[in-house]
Amino acid sequence: KQEVTQIPAALSVPEGENLVLNCSFTDSAIYNLQWFRQDPGKGLTSLLLIQSSQREQTSGRLNASLDKSSGRSTLYIAASQPGDSATYLCAVKEKAAGNKLTFGGGTRVLVKP
Amino acid sequence: DVKVTQSSRYLVKRTGEKVFLECVQDMDHENMFWYRQDPGLGLRLIYFSYDVKMKEKGDIPEGYSVSREKKERFSLILESASTNQTSMYLCASSYGTSGRWNEQFFGPGTRLTVL
Repeated sequence: KQEVTQIPAALSVPEGENLVLNCSFTDSAIYNLQWFRQDPGKGLTSLLLIQSSQREQTSGRLNASLDKSSGRSTLYIAASQPGDSATYLCAVKEKAAGNKLTFGGGTRVLVKP
Repeated sequence: DVKVTQSSRYLVKRTGEKVFLECVQDMDHENMFWYRQDPGLGLRLIYFSYDVKMKEKGDIPEGYSVSREKKERFSLILESASTNQTSMYLCASSYGTSGRWNEQFFGPGTRLTVL
C-alpha cells in the first residue's frame, strides 16, 4: 500500500529565506506527483505536476524535483514571502490505482516578516 | 482558468438528516472526485466518477452515495447524516487520466457540521 510522508509537519522561516519541502513515498511505481497549497479553511490550489518521466518542473519561484528510484520529491520556494505561509501537500498517482491520488499529511509553513 | 465551485462553504445539519453537497466544474472535465479532510487523517477519497452516470468507490464510501447526471455536476449524498461525518468536504476534477490531463483541480471546500 502506497504511503506518502511529509516531514517536517511544520516549518517557520524568516522572510527571504529559501524554503525546502520534502515528500517521500514508499512505492516508486508512480504515474505522477502533484504539489498543492492549502490556505486555512480553503480548498487546494495545484502548484506543480511532475510526470514520472520528468526530473523537475518549474513555475516562477517554485521548483519541484522528483527522484522516483529513491521515492522522494522536493519543492523549493525561492526568496520566501509572508504570502507563502500555507500548508503544502504532495500527492502521488500510482500506475495501478486508476484515478486515485494518495496524499501526504502536509507541511505547514510560516514565513515571518 | 479551471473553476470548481461547491454549493456551500459552511453547512450545519442534524443527525439523521439527508444532506446534499453539490460540485460544479466549468472546464468539460471527464473526472470528478469527492474527498473528506480531517485533522490527523489527511485527505481521503470517498467516491469518484469518470463519466456521466459512472462512479467508483474510493477508500471510505460507507455512509455516502453520489450522483452524476450531467458532466459538469457531481453530487455527494449523506443518506442519514451522523456526527462522525462532520468534516471538510472537497470536490476536485481532472480532464483525463493520462499525462498533464490528470492534474486535479479543487473547489473551495464545504465545512459540514452534524449536530
